[in-house]
Amino acid sequence: NAGVTQTPKFQVLKTGQSMTLQCAQDMNHNSMYWYRQDPGMGLRLIYYSASEGTTDKGEVPNGYNVSRLNKREFSLRLESAAPSQTSVYFCASSDFSRTAKNIQYFGAGTRLSVL
Amino acid sequence: QKEVEQNSGPLSVPEGAIASLNCTYSDRGSQSFFWYRQYSGKSPELIMSIYSNGDKEDGRFTAQLNKASQYVSLLIRDSQPSDSATYLCAVGGNNDMRFGAGTRLTVKP
Repeated sequence: NAGVTQTPKFQVLKTGQSMTLQCAQDMNHNSMYWYRQDPGMGLRLIYYSASEGTTDKGEVPNGYNVSRLNKREFSLRLESAAPSQTSVYFCASSDFSRTAKNIQYFGAGTRLSVL
Repeated sequence: QKEVEQNSGPLSVPEGAIASLNCTYSDRGSQSFFWYRQYSGKSPELIMSIYSNGDKEDGRFTAQLNKASQYVSLLIRDSQPSDSATYLCAVGGNNDMRFGAGTRLTVKP
């Protein structure tokens, strides 16, 4: 089992460019999450999806959009990248809706630089 | 604002010692509590989860939760150099999760 797979692993963008970060999980989890991690600030929740067809804002949603394409896939889109969005992005999934235990499993991360 | 606070460290302990990591949280409605370990350049991996007051032991790791004091801790017994990492405290509510900034632990041989 691959668990949670994120693509790409690295990306460099110019200010104003757009891109989509992809995430897929093979654990049949209902809940999926997108975080960003900046030095000294821990993980901050951008958006989450409790189930297929639903999405909700997290702590830092501005500048991002998400799509829960199906149960397996949850993508994060930057419409017009800004240097402040330089960060490491992690996708995670959990079986929270079934177990009520929000144990999250993380992908390997995408390291994004916006110049 | 839901806050999760950790001492940023670095915390340095000699090999074989007990490492004690602490975390406080602000949301009294929090229901689940986690400790993740993150090696440099890697993704977080779950070490412990705890949902009720008291202690929970798993091998060399013990998580302690005190909801009245809004406090959760992680003890690592017989610390090994391979335990050197950043430890993230995470506090969950209704399908959301807040992480602390992490405590960097160094175990010296």
